[in-house]
Amino acid sequence: EDQVTQSPEALRLQEGESSSLNCSYTVSGLRGLFWYRQDPGKGPEFLFTLYSAGEEKEKERLKATLTKKESFLHITAPKPEDSATYLCAVRPRRDAGGTSYGKLTFGQGTILTVHP
Amino acid sequence: ETGVTQTPRHLVMGMTNKKSLKCEQHLGHNAMYWYKQSAKKPLELMFVYNFKEQTENNSVPSRFSPECPNSSHLFLHLHTLQPEDSALYLCASSQGGGQGVWEQYFGPGTRLTVT
Repeated sequence: EDQVTQSPEALRLQEGESSSLNCSYTVSGLRGLFWYRQDPGKGPEFLFTLYSAGEEKEKERLKATLTKKESFLHITAPKPEDSATYLCAVRPRRDAGGTSYGKLTFGQGTILTVHP
Repeated sequence: ETGVTQTPRHLVMGMTNKKSLKCEQHLGHNAMYWYKQSAKKPLELMFVYNFKEQTENNSVPSRFSPECPNSSHLFLHLHTLQPEDSALYLCASSQGGGQGVWEQYFGPGTRLTVT
């Protein structure tokens, strides 16, 4: 069964204090790993897709990396507006039924709070 | 309107009511999804439609009934719900479905409370 575990559950940072969020996964063949940001009362907002180990992607203060077992979301010099819940999701090659029609398995998320 | 829209944004219903959630995507995508997001739990995929055809039903109780009349519109019909069905219901769309790897774009969600 595909599993995604995110840590920590919650992270409090001071503005400018860099850190990383972790997403560990167990999946029957990874086709893609996604990072999303979710603000309170809103739907998740797409950030990155990573396809293979060693791949990295950057957007402003965020950088996502991927290994064969986990992904990291590095936040450099965060600002209060980076406060949100960050979600990780994996796209397996096949689900238990043998098909994989767009099915994503999500982690429970990391709640990031950046204090000014 | 841009992106993925959902109506209503908030809904309170009794256990004997019948209501419907509506989702519309303005992105020209071909696949649409319903997710349930409960407090302290990961997003749970409920249904997937690819080119209007349902391709995934993730063991969802029959009191939830999806409908996809075309690639731009998705409905979730609700009847005789239970209090534990209270959650944020999210709609998403992606350019393709099937075996491709496509990022999904989410709507703002409908906050459902069952009393």
